[in-house]
Amino acid sequence: LAKTTQPISMDSYEGQEVNITCSHNNIATNDYITWYQQFPSQGPRFIIQGYKTKVTNEVASLFIPADRKSSTLSLPRVSLSDTAVYYCLVGDSGVGNNRKLIWGLGTSLAVNP
Amino acid sequence: DAGVIQSPRHEVTEMGQEVTLRCKPISGHNSLFWYRQTMMRGLELLIYFNNNVPIDDSGMPEDRFSAKMPNASFSTLKIQPSEPRDSAVYFCASSPTDGFPYEQYFGPGTRLTVT
Repeated sequence: LAKTTQPISMDSYEGQEVNITCSHNNIATNDYITWYQQFPSQGPRFIIQGYKTKVTNEVASLFIPADRKSSTLSLPRVSLSDTAVYYCLVGDSGVGNNRKLIWGLGTSLAVNP
Repeated sequence: DAGVIQSPRHEVTEMGQEVTLRCKPISGHNSLFWYRQTMMRGLELLIYFNNNVPIDDSGMPEDRFSAKMPNASFSTLKIQPSEPRDSAVYFCASSPTDGFPYEQYFGPGTRLTVT
């Protein structure tokens, strides 16, 4: 099972770009990288997913280097409402009984005015 | 769509009592997941179903925990007997695919307190 490592917490200010890096040294060939966001008292919400290179949507960008041993979630021009916990997950796309996503404790991002 | 529905939102019970948590997944989704979240351990996958069949229950902490999915629109997670260490937020999530690694849609959670 691919384990991920990400910073416990980060601080930023409104309008800044925030980059959260996740390490996943033992990522497997079939594994995808997925990021979720969780606000207090709510369930996690999908942000973005990728396999390699760069993926961008209306919320964020995901950068994945060629070796795929890490990934960086980039949030452009954050606002106070981006204060949340961000989870990096690595999981495979195969069919079977032993697939799991290990969530860990995530990165707690605090955006200050 | 109403999203994933969980009930109750809050549950306070005494040690030794039976607790049943309920989940209604998004219509048309064929995978359902039960998670537990605590400050110490984060978010842990307990069990997941695909097409109403339990696929992996290795995350269920012990025999006191059981989960069922009698049909595509309903699932329960039961704890019997409950213990104080079961206190946590329990999330149900559903996915339109078999779930890995695709997007999971989470419910609002049930906050369980066992005294």
